[in-house]
This record gives sequence, C-alpha cells and structure tokens, in this order.
Amino acid sequence: GQSLEQPSEVTAVEGAIVQINCTYQTSGFYGLSWYQQHDGGAPTFLSYNALDGLEETGRFSSFLSRSDSYGYLLLQELQMKDSASYFCAVGFYGQNFVFGPGTRLSVLP
Amino acid sequence: NAGVTQTPKFRILKIGQSMTLQCTQDMNHNYMYWYRQDPGMGLKLIYYSVGAGITDKGEVPNGYNVSRSTTEDFPLRLELAAPSQTSVYFCASSPGRRRTEAFFGQGTRLTVV
Repeated sequence: GQSLEQPSEVTAVEGAIVQINCTYQTSGFYGLSWYQQHDGGAPTFLSYNALDGLEETGRFSSFLSRSDSYGYLLLQELQMKDSASYFCAVGFYGQNFVFGPGTRLSVLP
Repeated sequence: NAGVTQTPKFRILKIGQSMTLQCTQDMNHNYMYWYRQDPGMGLKLIYYSVGAGITDKGEVPNGYNVSRSTTEDFPLRLELAAPSQTSVYFCASSPGRRRTEAFFGQGTRLTVV
C-alpha cells in the first residue's frame, strides 16, 4: 500500500527555522511535493523534488532522500502568515496523487 | 486567469438526495482529480481522470460517480447522500508529464443532514 507519515503539529516562533518531516512506505513514485493550506482555503503548491537533494524556493526549501524514504520541508524566517497546514504528496505513474495527513504549523509572536 | 472553478461553494443536502458538484478548468490540463477532506484530516482521493473519456477510482469512490466528456469539465455525482459524505470537496488539475504540481479549486463545503 501507499502511506505517508507527518507529525500532526509543530510550533515555532516568528523568525525561527522549522523542519516538517515526511516519511513514506511506498515505491514507484516519481516525485515528492509539498502544499500549504490555510484554514478554510484550498491547498496551494509550494515545492517539488523529482531527484534526491535540496530544492530551494525563497524562504522554503524541500529535501528528498529516496534511499531513506524520507523528505522534509524547511521554512526559514518564519512569519505569522506561515501558520497553516502543510501536506506532503507523492505522484505516481498513471498520475494519481497521494497526500500525507498534514502537519499543522503554529507560528507564535 | 480562472484556473480551477468549483460550484457550488456551499450546499446542504438531505439524506437520500442527489447532487452534482461541478468542476471546470481552463488550463488545458489532461489530469483532473476529486478529493474529499474531513475536518482536521488530509485529502483522500475519490476519483481521477487522465483525459477525456477516461476515469479511474481512487481511495474512497463508494457513493460517488464521475464523468469526463471534455478536457475542461470533471463533475462529481453524489447519489443517495449520506451523513458520512459531509465533507469539503476539492477538485484539482495537473499538467501531467511527471510534474506533481496540482492546482486546486476553492472547494465545496457539503453538509448532509
């Protein structure tokens, strides 16, 4: 089967750095993505890793290690507006996506 | 630039009623998806389509049906609504070609009473 695991909640203060982990028990996928969802809103795309290593997009970076079945999203210089839920997702050949359960990030002043 | 448009935004159904959730995208994406999201939970795939005329079941298809007669439209049909179908429904599309960036509509909040 396909399953992804994420911590349910993470709390950090403004200006800090936070890492949200995603571990998976699946194979045959071609990439790991990250999405942000504010309360009452729709998920929006943040980052994508097709290959092992680090991808940087402004304050957000994402990492993938296929050998360790592990990825993470790194958020730097946290702002209050970063308080949201963050989902990892894997894309499979045949083009369906499976999402993780999500991590709720709370940024404190 | 409309992207993915879902209608309606909110709906209350009585048990046993039926309805269709509409989804339209103007990005010429071949791949489209329907997800449901229960409060505080992740997204569960209901159905997906890799092109006009082709649909396939996802993780939780029971109680739902879909069709894909055009590239743009991917309606989701609920037959005989049940309280367990109370959820927020999201339609999404992606360009395919191994890109995992999906674009989501704003969601339909459905309550079955």
